[in-house]
Amino acid sequence: DTGVSQDPRHKITKRGQNVTFRCDPISEHNRLYWYRQTLGQGPEFLTYFQNEAQLEKSRLLSDRFSAERPKGSFSTLEIQRTEQGDSAMYLCASSSRQDHSYEQYFGPGTRLTVT
Amino acid sequence: LAKTTQPISMDSYEGQEVNITCSHNNIATNDYITWYQQFPSQGPRFIIQGYKTKVTNEVASLFIPADRKSSTLSLPRVSLSDTAVYYCLVGTHLDNAGKSTFGDGTTLTVKP
Repeated sequence: DTGVSQDPRHKITKRGQNVTFRCDPISEHNRLYWYRQTLGQGPEFLTYFQNEAQLEKSRLLSDRFSAERPKGSFSTLEIQRTEQGDSAMYLCASSSRQDHSYEQYFGPGTRLTVT
Repeated sequence: LAKTTQPISMDSYEGQEVNITCSHNNIATNDYITWYQQFPSQGPRFIIQGYKTKVTNEVASLFIPADRKSSTLSLPRVSLSDTAVYYCLVGTHLDNAGKSTFGDGTTLTVKP
């Protein structure tokens, strides 16, 4: 397994357009997370899934954002009617259910630029 | 959720030992302390995790005093490639999942 992958790596879109990002976690990991990171700041939690269930959503995730993980494997994050403030790196991470480890494996991210 | 405080930046020279301290005064009984490293344009990478006392792996050591209100990440003999942002997190995998915040991290710059 080559780790967490994300597609696309870069996306440039015009304000008002919809965009969708994909994340493929490590195959045996049942937890999947989405974060957003802006320049100079740490990643901000957006949402996470355990298998196909979306268990937590941050207040940052406005109604323009939606995430799915239909079969408990890959996940998509869609942003509708993009705004310039949505420009950021969108990171996906996965982890397996272990007793103590808090180790999350991150993908390379999708950098979104809204013009 | 426990909030963490780290220095914004640190400078070091190749071959030196670097210690980055993180304060987490409100750490809960079940919380673990985890450190991540992030290079530009990459996702964070797990470095080390601990609950109390000392943990060591092939890349770093983590020192946690008895009161657990702080922790220190120790990087032995740093090289230029250790230049990165280092994040301290506290939380539990089971209860908080990804909800613990990364904060703004410590930018370590290693100079030749």
